Amino acid sequence: NAGVTQTPKFQVLKTGQSMTLQCAQDMNHEYMSWYRQDPGMGLRLIHYSVGAGITDQGEVPNGYNVSRSTTEDFPLRLLSAAPSQTSVYFCASSRTSGEQFFGPGTRLTVL
Amino acid sequence: GQQVMQIPQYQHVQEGEDFTTYCNSSTTLSNIQWYKQRPGGHPVFLIQLVKSGEVKKQKRLTFQFGEAKKNSSLHITATQTTDVGTYFCAGNSGYALNFGKGTSLLVTP
Repeated sequence: NAGVTQTPKFQVLKTGQSMTLQCAQDMNHEYMSWYRQDPGMGLRLIHYSVGAGITDQGEVPNGYNVSRSTTEDFPLRLLSAAPSQTSVYFCASSRTSGEQFFGPGTRLTVL
Repeated sequence: GQQVMQIPQYQHVQEGEDFTTYCNSSTTLSNIQWYKQRPGGHPVFLIQLVKSGEVKKQKRLTFQFGEAKKNSSLHITATQTTDVGTYFCAGNSGYALNFGKGTSLLVTP
């Protein structure tokens, strides 16, 4: 099993550009989440999903969209990137509300 | 909404000293989880506590969940350089998991 995979590992965007961060898991987990990590701020929940077709907002959802068309994939879309979205983004999955398995992260810089 | 506070933010110890990080929630939690993140890495699950007053041990690590299920602690006995990293607690009171800001541990040989 590959676990949780994220692509790309690194990305540089210009302000106003859009992009999609990919996340996939092969553990048949129902729960998937997106977090952003900024220095001194810990991990903040952006969006999460408890199953295919079901998504909900977390603590910091503004500027991000998600969809969950399959159990395996949970992409995060930035519609119009802003410098404030410079961060490290982690995707995680879990069977229920228990142990979360994190991907390796995507380091995003918005100029 | 639920807030999870974690202290201290940083801790620098000499190898062999003990270390404790504390986690407090503004609301009662259904469970609490602890994660460790090595520098440059991703968070890795350590343990989950569910029961009021629960205490669990993993070698030199001791985890406690408060009687009111609003606070928790992680204690490391006789730290080693391999313990370096950031330790996060995460509170669960529904579907979403809310993380504390973490305690960064530095261990000097």
